[in-house]
Amino acid sequence: QKEVEQNSGPLSVPEGAIASLNCTYSDRGSQSFFWYRQYSGKSPELIMSIYSNGDKEDGRFTAQLNKASQYVSLLIRDSQPSDSATYLCAVNPDSSASKIIFGSGTRLSIRP
Amino acid sequence: DARVTQTPRHKVTEMGQEVTMRCQPILGHNTVFWYRQTMMQGLELLAYFRNRAPLDDSGMPKDRFSAEMPDATLATLKIQPSEPRDSAVYFCASGSGADTQYFGPGTRLTVL
Repeated sequence: QKEVEQNSGPLSVPEGAIASLNCTYSDRGSQSFFWYRQYSGKSPELIMSIYSNGDKEDGRFTAQLNKASQYVSLLIRDSQPSDSATYLCAVNPDSSASKIIFGSGTRLSIRP
Repeated sequence: DARVTQTPRHKVTEMGQEVTMRCQPILGHNTVFWYRQTMMQGLELLAYFRNRAPLDDSGMPKDRFSAEMPDATLATLKIQPSEPRDSAVYFCASGSGADTQYFGPGTRLTVL
């Protein structure tokens, strides 16, 4: 079992709709969770971090964390074509270290 | 605008040759990471340093890869000898904690 699992997609969402990206992780003791966006041919860019159960909102992005279910999600409201990218879920399983584990990413495509 | 820089951006070499990749972390960041990204394996952590000391290189093939930080402004990743299976994009990232990893533009390596 992979430590961080994501559906590879592609996930196709119409412009203006809500895109929902999901991620599960295996280490129950994990405390820090991140979402990175990676455009084709570019480097990953941190867009959200979340540490507590519940929702965290930043503009059109909402991260949701459920530690009991070992589940993290990212919602993108009012999806735009510029949101088309691969979204990487990442987890830090050890708060005493800086090492984070990445999922394989979900490719999101926003269709006009 | 502080950024992680990496050189070279592209490298094509023949099997058996030595490859050296360089990274300049963001000034003031005390943690440096080396990642490798391929379509098949996704983003894999190879090694990371804190305050120039290697903390974890368990993701790195020890027989041919080596990572060093000769000073706070330079991290290097060497492959000797290189093999076709080493073809990938190699990213350097720096940060001051697990939630502030900033990625460089990457070095795209092709080993023929």
